[in-house]
Amino acid sequence: DTAVSQTPKYLVTQMGNDKSIKCEQNLGHDTMYWYKQDSKKFLKIMFSYNNKELIINETVPNRFSPKSPDKAHLNLHINSLELGDSAVYFCASSGIAGRERETQYFGPGTRLLVL
Amino acid sequence: QKEVEQDPGPLSVPEGAIVSLNCTYSNSAFQYFMWYRQYSRKGPELLMYTYSSGNKEDGRFTAQVDKSSKYISLFIRDSQPSDSATYLCAMSRMDSNYQLIWGAGTKLIIKP
Repeated sequence: DTAVSQTPKYLVTQMGNDKSIKCEQNLGHDTMYWYKQDSKKFLKIMFSYNNKELIINETVPNRFSPKSPDKAHLNLHINSLELGDSAVYFCASSGIAGRERETQYFGPGTRLLVL
Repeated sequence: QKEVEQDPGPLSVPEGAIVSLNCTYSNSAFQYFMWYRQYSRKGPELLMYTYSSGNKEDGRFTAQVDKSSKYISLFIRDSQPSDSATYLCAMSRMDSNYQLIWGAGTKLIIKP
């Protein structure tokens, strides 16, 4: 059973297009995150949602818009894609108490390549 | 200066060696310390978790936290080629909603 899943796994698209990445977790967690990992492997937090409410919104272009239809899903929509958006995007989730709250569980990642 | 410093490597060692990976940090308020392992083209997976100072052991892995020196370590005994991966340290504190602050990751290569 996949705990945190993302679709698609790979995404190749042209500059200027709009695309979405979907994330689902079946761990019963109530906080979900989007990270961007660049070619040097540095993980940068983009957004965090707790029970469908935005709690972290780091400095990212407003072309990126997260949407959380329910606490098990967090999608990422990207408008007007640019070359610099090429990266691996990870979804993660965390729970409400103890170790589940203090650690995060990651999905397999979506590799985005903008041409 | 970054909040968490980690040497990106790569670190290359022969199979069977003891590996030591380290991170230093600047904020003494961090309470929770983690090591994640990330294989190529996979997501990070939690390897070790420690609350406050001390040691924690799990099989061939030992995590150490020295809050007085603001220094955390991960030791791998009897290293195997399957341990080749990027190891990321992360830490958090309660008053910042447990947001994880990450090191840059160290790429580890175990040579057979």
